[in-house]
Parts: sequence; C-alpha cells; structure tokens
Amino acid sequence: GENVGLHLPTLSVQEGDNSIINCAYSNSASDYFIWYKQESGKGPQFIIDIRSNMDKRQGQRVTVLLNKTVKHLSLQIAATQPGDSAVYFCAENPSGSARQLTFGSGTQLTVLP
Amino acid sequence: GAVVSQHPSRVICKSGTSVKIECRSLDFQATTMFWYRQFPKQSLMLMATSNEGSKATYEQGVEKDKFLINHASLTLSTLTVTSAHPEDSSFYICSARDNGLAGGADTQYFGPGTRLTVL
Repeated sequence: GENVGLHLPTLSVQEGDNSIINCAYSNSASDYFIWYKQESGKGPQFIIDIRSNMDKRQGQRVTVLLNKTVKHLSLQIAATQPGDSAVYFCAENPSGSARQLTFGSGTQLTVLP
Repeated sequence: GAVVSQHPSRVICKSGTSVKIECRSLDFQATTMFWYRQFPKQSLMLMATSNEGSKATYEQGVEKDKFLINHASLTLSTLTVTSAHPEDSSFYICSARDNGLAGGADTQYFGPGTRLTVL
C-alpha cells in the first residue's frame, strides 16, 4: 500500500536553533495531516495538524508546511529546547477513511546542549 | 486537552496466558478507537479499528481471534491478547477519535501505551 515516509531518520540540532523535520507522502487522496511527538516509553502526543486546503499553519513554536504539488510535509520547531528531543511522526488520513491514520517511519530529534 | 488513559502501563505474563488492556477517553466521548502496536525504533502499525456497539475492523494480517477487541461504551475499549506468546511482546497503544462535535478538533488522541512482555 501507499506509505508516508521521512527523509531523515535522525536529526541533531543545537539548543536554541530551529529544527526542520521533513515528511514525504504518496497518497494524493489524503486530506488531513498530523504531526506527533513521541518520547521514549510514551504514547504519541499531538503537536499540530493541517488540512489539505491550507499550505501553512502555525502553533506555539511550531509551524507545519504542506506542499501538495510535491507531496511534502514539514515541521519547523523554533528555538529548539532539550525537551523537544523525541521521535517525531507525521501521519496522514486518506480522504474518506473514517479518520484512520497512516504513520511515517519517524525522525529522532536530539537537541544538543 | 483531550486525555486518553491506558491500563496497565506495564504487564509481564507467562506464555499461554491472556492479557487485557483498557483504553479510556477521559473527557470526551469516542465512538471510534484505534489499537496500534509498536516495536522498538519502529513506527506505529494499526491493528484494528474499534467502533462502539459494533464489531472491530481488523487490519490485514491481524488475527481477530487472538486480539479480541470490545468497545462497550463511548469511553472504553479493551484489547485482550489471548494465549500470549513471546512474539506478542510489544508496545500497545490505543487512540480515541474526538469527532469534534463538542468543540474539539476532529483528530486522534493517544494513550500512554502498554508495554507487554511475554516470558
């Protein structure tokens, strides 16, 4: 089946720098995308979502960009903090699938002091 | 925000026994809940979709007789791993869909997960 994938499996950034985590998706029917943060031994935590009728959405210190032309999703974290260290997953919801989600493979973000 | 709980957080059992995991939505009603399993350093794999008052829908390759799902109320779904074996050891995570009708976002909120170890 179609998968959501990530460009980079690991990402290390200096504390205070901005982080960009990328995600490629292949299902052109997907109309809803979510970024989750998962700390070790815990369940995924909702960060931000975006619908396909938008190309940018901002939250607190986070911004999600959606490029439907190239089927690319990114998560930008401003002023990265040690508490941001975690695995980040993008997930997509194909249109009409009763809100089932397909998860990408994840990116491990490590914030260096 | 929406809170989903799971119980137990950790369970160790002997091979051949059955284990029940509970998933509760604490501050919203969830007509749909999802069960995932996750192996170390891997992504979440959807096992089944649990619908309140009806049978669960299982993903391809997931044995419905081994992973029994019951969604008896709008706030509770249970996953029972029957006759567990070491290969069933994994991190099991549930999520509950907040459909947004009460003002929240129509999205999934995840429980903290249950670490199952079968000896």
